[in-house]
Amino acid sequence: GAGVSQSPRYKVAKRGQDVALRCDPISGHVSLFWYQQALGQGPEFLTYFQNEAQLDKSGLPSDRFFAERPEGSVSTLKIQRTQQEDSAVYLCASSLLGGGAFFPEAFFGQGTRLTVV
Amino acid sequence: EDKVVQSPLSLVVHEGDTVTLNCSYEVTNFRSLLWYKQEKKAPTFLFMLTSSGIEKKSGRLSSILDKKELSSILNITATQTGDSAIYLCAGVGTYKYIFGTGTRLKVLA
Repeated sequence: GAGVSQSPRYKVAKRGQDVALRCDPISGHVSLFWYQQALGQGPEFLTYFQNEAQLDKSGLPSDRFFAERPEGSVSTLKIQRTQQEDSAVYLCASSLLGGGAFFPEAFFGQGTRLTVV
Repeated sequence: EDKVVQSPLSLVVHEGDTVTLNCSYEVTNFRSLLWYKQEKKAPTFLFMLTSSGIEKKSGRLSSILDKKELSSILNITATQTGDSAIYLCAGVGTYKYIFGTGTRLKVLA
């Protein structure tokens, strides 16, 4: 596609509910990132995929958070048993290459604003 | 621990003013520094800097990297109301983009 697409744009979940956030990266992009952005803060790294391999999940705040990219394109971030502190904008970004000496700019989607009530 | 610090946190100026935004970084296996503009949700890419002392320029915006000082600045000249946004810088290491908190710029007419 022309850009990184995320869905849904907005999600309201009741505390304890499971949610799934989807990211369609730019076609052919090797790297995919998930970030969490709380109000007034910069994006915080959650996890990184190079194709289908999840190379780093060190930023996932708890074992309630799970991400996958089974075919190396679309990715899903799942949050189980949502808590109020999970309320944030979840940004997905992709970049053309992965690793190596040159790491190009990442392009971001519009994000999903998750509100847990 | 990798970190990126931006200053000031917020800035209010009048149209026509020139502003300088600062970014300092400590990033393992540093490769590049990126600047983004965030207006609504999606940060949009402005510059990527990999070499010290080489200014990148786009219209009224320019940026430069100082690897010795582990810092970068973003300059905006003749500011316009449309420049009002959060400006994010990110240090890129092996693969992670480590973002700062951002500088919130408001340009008054």
